[in-house]
Amino acid sequence: DTGVSQDPRHKITKRGQNVTFRCDPISEHNRLYWYRQTLGQGPEFLTYFQNEAQLEKSRLLSDRFSAERPKGSFSTLEIQRTEQGDSAMYLCASRPRGQNTGELFFGEGSRLTVL
Amino acid sequence: AQRVTQPEKLLSVFKGAPVELKCNYSYSGSPELFWYVQYSRQRLQLLLRHISRESIKGFTADLNKGETSFHLKKPFAQEEDSAMYYCALKRFGNEKLTFGTGTRLTIIP
Repeated sequence: DTGVSQDPRHKITKRGQNVTFRCDPISEHNRLYWYRQTLGQGPEFLTYFQNEAQLEKSRLLSDRFSAERPKGSFSTLEIQRTEQGDSAMYLCASRPRGQNTGELFFGEGSRLTVL
Repeated sequence: AQRVTQPEKLLSVFKGAPVELKCNYSYSGSPELFWYVQYSRQRLQLLLRHISRESIKGFTADLNKGETSFHLKKPFAQEEDSAMYYCALKRFGNEKLTFGTGTRLTIIP
């Protein structure tokens, strides 16, 4: 499968623990996005990278959240001191340079459950 | 700020009947509108976008700026249309997609 890959697919953690999610975009896609989806809601934008530069961050991304894309390829999303409200599906998406359709290619998501 | 509203959380339609999934938006500028679909056990994927004005899998959607709507329509529903549908808006030149809350469409055989 050459689509967007996310790991782990499921994570159960206790409140207060740190978690990290990884996203591998489609090869040659220079734009990478993180979204969060809670039950009954649509995906909500968290942050956006163009190559290694983080160009936009949502106000949803509190100080406990940090995202990186150090070499412009894979990205990590870390949540520190998790809270029950962080329980959600974390979606990664990518799209290629020069594509004008605006289409995002999504991964299958990483589901976080905070106990 | 932009907002997308999908008033129906659930919609059930008999096979062969017409389908209309409603989407309204609020944004003062010129938006780009999209419909994304998520079939069971599959990832979220683009169905269609208003700029292309094409029909995908028999679905069409017309942007009505006067009514600020982008309703998704299909004249004859098929069982494989059962899925979760999300309407999404993007400001021109911006990378952020704003999604609605989604409509779960069930086609009754």
